[in-house]
Formats: sequence, C-alpha cells, structure tokens
Amino acid sequence: GAGVSQTPSNKVTEKGKYVELRCDPISGHTALYWYRQSLGQGPEFLIYFQGTGAADDSGLPNDRFFAVRPEGSVSTLKIQRTERGDSAVYLCASSRHRDTEAFFGQGTRLTVV
Amino acid sequence: GESVGLHLPTLSVQEGDNSIINCAYSNSASDYFIWYKQESGKGPQFIIDIRSNMDKRQGQRVTVLLNKTVKHLSLQIAATQPGDSAVYFCAENFGDGGATNKLIFGTGTLLAVQP
Repeated sequence: GAGVSQTPSNKVTEKGKYVELRCDPISGHTALYWYRQSLGQGPEFLIYFQGTGAADDSGLPNDRFFAVRPEGSVSTLKIQRTERGDSAVYLCASSRHRDTEAFFGQGTRLTVV
Repeated sequence: GESVGLHLPTLSVQEGDNSIINCAYSNSASDYFIWYKQESGKGPQFIIDIRSNMDKRQGQRVTVLLNKTVKHLSLQIAATQPGDSAVYFCAENFGDGGATNKLIFGTGTLLAVQP
C-alpha cells in the first residue's frame, strides 16, 4: 500500500533484551517522526528526522533509545536493555515536508516481559 | 486489538446528533493545532487542523474552534455516524519554530455513537 508501514506489528521480548522497530515512510516524504503511546494516553514525541539527520531527539527518554535513518527513507528505532516500562505502542509518521500533514502508521506494539 | 480508549473521558451520542469534543491545551505559544481520530489498533488519522491566526475552520462535517484566550479547542462533528466512533485527540505544536508535526497530544476522548 501507499501508507506508512511499520514492522513488526507486535513484538514480545524479555527484559534486558535488545529490539529494533522498523518504519517504512510514504515514498518521497522527507520528514519522519517516532512517537510512543502508552495505554489510555495520547502519543508522546520521541524523535524527528529531516532527511537522514535527526533534527530533534529531545523526546527520547534516555540513552537506551536510539534511532537511525541512514538513507533518508526507512528508519529503525533501537531500544537496548529493554525494561517493562518500555511496553507501549511505538508509532511512526511521515510528512512530505516539515510543515505539511503527517500520516501515521498502525504502530508496533512492544511488550516487555 | 487492545483499545486505547480505556479509562478515557467518554462522550456518548445518538446517531444523527451533533457531537462536541473539547480540549484544553497547555502552551500559550503553540501556533498550530490538529484533531486526530484513532480507532482501535490503528494509528492516529488526521481530521482537521487550525493555525493560531484563525478562530474557526470548517471541513466536511467537522468544525474546529480555537479560543486562544482560554487555551481551548473544540471539535464539532455534524450528524454523527457509527463510523465516527473512536478516540479523538487534540494535538498542539510546540511553537518553537521546529517541525510542524512535533506535537503534544491531549489525553483523548472516546466518542461512542449509539445507533
């Protein structure tokens, strides 16, 4: 399809493990965003990419979280030494430019047990 | 999928009635606001936006009102339909000159449309 694609849809991992979450933005979209949504709450901003560079990573909660977008398209959110509190839905969004409408993917539900 | 609507404020309306969902935003410097609809197991879907130099904007069956004096935003849905049932979030742009889609989301309101 032509929308934002996130894989996997669901991920269950053990506490302390490393995980990678992938986002395929809409083709041609230069801006990409990662958000995290806990149950019953609104999404919280994590990081914003303009092209290949992380233009704003002020929302990343700590240094266990890292994201890359090496070719300006696909992005990977990486979480080291996962904790139970990391359990949430991780949402990716993309927009054609930094100031145009963003489209969200369906999210990856991460469960840390 | 698991609902994101647990423990959220709920608005229950009859099909065909008008719905009004309210939101108080936090930052007086915010200059851009968006309403999103989120169905269970899906990502947020853009409904309508408004910039701070406006106080009203209309779309198809939806109207957004902005009151900057009291930092209040509302979404009006005309002739509500069962397909409108979802969680609705307001979101504000930080207003720091950064990306438009660096947003602060509100708590959300669950809209339940009774047939």
